[in-house]
Amino acid sequence: GAVVSQHPSWVICKSGTSVKIECRSLDFQATTMFWYRQFPKQSLMLMATSNEGSKATYEQGVEKDKFLINHASLTLSTLTVTSAHPEDSSFYICSARDFLRSEQFFGPGTRLTVL
Amino acid sequence: KQEVTQIPAALSVPEGENLVLNCSFTDSAIYNLQWFRQDPGKGLTSLLLIQSSQREQTSGRLNASLDKSSGRSTLYIAASQPGDSATYLCAVEIVQGAQKLVFGQGTRLTINP
Repeated sequence: GAVVSQHPSWVICKSGTSVKIECRSLDFQATTMFWYRQFPKQSLMLMATSNEGSKATYEQGVEKDKFLINHASLTLSTLTVTSAHPEDSSFYICSARDFLRSEQFFGPGTRLTVL
Repeated sequence: KQEVTQIPAALSVPEGENLVLNCSFTDSAIYNLQWFRQDPGKGLTSLLLIQSSQREQTSGRLNASLDKSSGRSTLYIAASQPGDSATYLCAVEIVQGAQKLVFGQGTRLTINP
């Protein structure tokens, strides 16, 4: 149990386009989902926390107009990178937690490359 | 602000050795501490979670300890195998508005056959 999936697993796009990444909890209801980014050989940095049905809370320094997060259902959250630029190239990982558990369950990540 | 540090940044040992990875955190007000494994280009696999009231957790060849008062945790790996090669991440769960994980930089472990 406690499986989280992400789609796509990798994406290459041109500079200026928008990219949507999906995060799904497959066998539980995720009241809270988290989005992280990871640069090569660095650790995970939390970008934002989203609770189902409410606006996401962004960490300091993360542009909410650039990284749009939607958590419209208890099993799906999406991260849209708007007007992507090469510096947005990174590994994006989501995690999910339901209200019963204390640990987060992580997705397999999405590799974004912006040309 | 909570900061998590992992030492060493990289470690290479021969197969069969027992080894210890270290994690320290600056603020003892944590809910729990978790150790993860990350293979290159992959997501995170949770290894062990220690609640703030616990001192240690064990799973197979892995043992993690937590000393909250001193802000330290260790991950002990017994009888290391080449398949243990990966990056090991330590993370503490804190409450700043919402509960969130703060990660260390990781230890890149290589087990040589």
